[in-house]
Amino acid sequence: EVQLVESGGGLVQPGGSLRLSCAASGFTFRSYEMNWVRQAPGKGLEWLSYINNSGRTIFYADSVKGRFTASRDNAKNSLYLQMNSLRVEDTAVYFCARDLRADGTYGDAFDIWGQGTMVTVS
Amino acid sequence: QSALTQPASVSGSPGQSITISCTGTSSDIGTYNYVSWYQQHPGKAPKLMIYDVTNRPSGVSDRFSGSKSGNTASLTISGLQAEDEADYFCSSYTGSTSLVVFGGGTKLTVL
Repeated sequence: EVQLVESGGGLVQPGGSLRLSCAASGFTFRSYEMNWVRQAPGKGLEWLSYINNSGRTIFYADSVKGRFTASRDNAKNSLYLQMNSLRVEDTAVYFCARDLRADGTYGDAFDIWGQGTMVTVS
Repeated sequence: QSALTQPASVSGSPGQSITISCTGTSSDIGTYNYVSWYQQHPGKAPKLMIYDVTNRPSGVSDRFSGSKSGNTASLTISGLQAEDEADYFCSSYTGSTSLVVFGGGTKLTVL
């Protein structure tokens, strides 16, 4: 079964740090571009970051640029999001999501999502 | 990059058709055919329903269809069913390093 499972969320004080993980299974992780998307309580979706299959090309939303760092370990089938200088407004459920096509298409749809992990900054 | 504009809510009766609009700009929807639609039930992860404006992933009912005109994309659901009640989000490629922008979401109520 194709699956993404996030972990690492929790309660952190403003200014603190947290590292999220996303474990992939059921597909050839090293072939796919990956993304982080978040959803504040009762709000819409916000794209945060894209990382290509090799991990060498990474893009960020302006809201997290300079504070969040995405990375991946293809040997461990894992995606990561290092979050520093956390703010109250970063409180959200954080999802990892797979690009639909394993061809480096920018702006691709997200066909596989994890269940999300909650981050509370307070 | 500003969020795409969706109506906050739409409603319809079982069997009817509804359309949800998603308005962007000439920098996103108006230029690129990378418009996607996602369905999200409460407490669940989003599910891809439409990609590349009009395409349905395998397993998605053909009651769901997408279109685009100018800077506005639309999702149409025909033959409404109770299980269609959910939040729907559109997204588009932006052509910038802020790759993807989402709409604010539309709550669909099946009366």
